Amino acid sequence: SQQGEEDPQALSIQEGENATMNCSYKTSINNLQWYRQNSGRGLVHLILIRSNEREKHSGRLRVTLDTSKKSSSLLITASRAADTASYFCATDADSGGGADGLTFGKGTHLIIQP
Amino acid sequence: GEEVAQTPKHLVRGEGQKAKLYCAPIKGHSYVFWYQQVLKNEFKFLISFQNENVFDETGMPKERFSAKCLPNSPCSLEIQATKLEDSAVYFCASSPSWEQYFGPGTRLTVT
Repeated sequence: SQQGEEDPQALSIQEGENATMNCSYKTSINNLQWYRQNSGRGLVHLILIRSNEREKHSGRLRVTLDTSKKSSSLLITASRAADTASYFCATDADSGGGADGLTFGKGTHLIIQP
Repeated sequence: GEEVAQTPKHLVRGEGQKAKLYCAPIKGHSYVFWYQQVLKNEFKFLISFQNENVFDETGMPKERFSAKCLPNSPCSLEIQATKLEDSAVYFCASSPSWEQYFGPGTRLTVT
């Protein structure tokens, strides 16, 4: 079954506004990652947060992780038209191995209106 | 190379035919992964390698899917006797540790 479930499924905001996406998962994790997929392209890694971290920043991205609630959020500040894409959270099993396959959520499709 | 390369970009096969997809991971990355994306949404993990050794193949439909990552060769994913439900985009990714770097994908259409 899907480990990560994002909400909302779709989000449309005006350029310059902030966008928040949420992700929930079911089992213990080692890391949680967020990826972006532009239409017809492969996934681009955005940010990784470890299970012992609560918050992480990278440029206009802010990720939080609440392992007690098994949830994470991705905040994109000052959105731009180029941020239009689908965003996926992904978790790996708590086995400590780098070769663990990722389990992806169904994604949030973000549209930034100019 | 600095990017994961996948060939071909598109592949069309009649039902029952064989399909073979290739992936060149980023040099120096020890881990290689294959994923299947159906309908632009759900990604399904298929198999992972640590160097040329299969690490986790729990996602592979074993009766028809096979994969290899041999030294000095591109990695490959082969589907024998394709079915309509195999139509999807297949992504390869490589990783030096935790972050995975994805290729552009191969779109397989089974008719």
